[in-house]
Amino acid sequence: GENVEQHPSTLSVQEGDSAVIKCTYSDSASNYFPWYKQELGKGPQLIIDIRSNVGEKKDQRIAVTLNKTAKHFSLHITETQPEDSAVYFCASYTGRRALTFGSGTRLQVQP
Amino acid sequence: SQTIHQWPATLVQPVGSPLSLECTVEGTSNPNLYWYRQAAGRGLQLLFYSVGIGQISSEVPQNLSASRPQDRQFILSSKKLLLSDSGFYLCAWTRKQYNEQFFGPGTRLTVL
Repeated sequence: GENVEQHPSTLSVQEGDSAVIKCTYSDSASNYFPWYKQELGKGPQLIIDIRSNVGEKKDQRIAVTLNKTAKHFSLHITETQPEDSAVYFCASYTGRRALTFGSGTRLQVQP
Repeated sequence: SQTIHQWPATLVQPVGSPLSLECTVEGTSNPNLYWYRQAAGRGLQLLFYSVGIGQISSEVPQNLSASRPQDRQFILSSKKLLLSDSGFYLCAWTRKQYNEQFFGPGTRLTVL
């Protein structure tokens, strides 16, 4: 089945810096790649996603890039703010069963 | 707009007691529904998913079960809780033919 690896597991940046989280997937049939932000004690929130026919997508300070050949996709957060501190999960979807999630990245933005 | 509810928000139960967690979705029909468990500081483990009333797929053998008695209602149950059942239980939904998955607020379960 599909396997998604996510790195790093923890990331600490200074406010205003950029943060990058990377994921790799194993199943070449995967065609949808969402990113979720989970704040403490809350359910994950979908923040951005990308489909396999697109290489990059941007929404204000966040962007996602996809390299289908290398089977990896990344989340980029620019001008980080303390409220960006949370756990971020990547996921992939092959069209069968359900999303496969990465193990999560704890992002800490230091003021 | 669509809304997903879970209750209770928190629950403390003794080992060996039964469990019933409920999830309902508003503002959509015939959704796919999912139950996940998240251990403290860990990732998301898919437990069950359902594509329709009475249709349940189990991902992990365990002492939990799921039921879907109505189109927008998904229930997670156990006859006898174990200590290892403690965790954060999340319900999620998607619309068919769409990939976007939305999570509920979760239920924090502590088994003592």
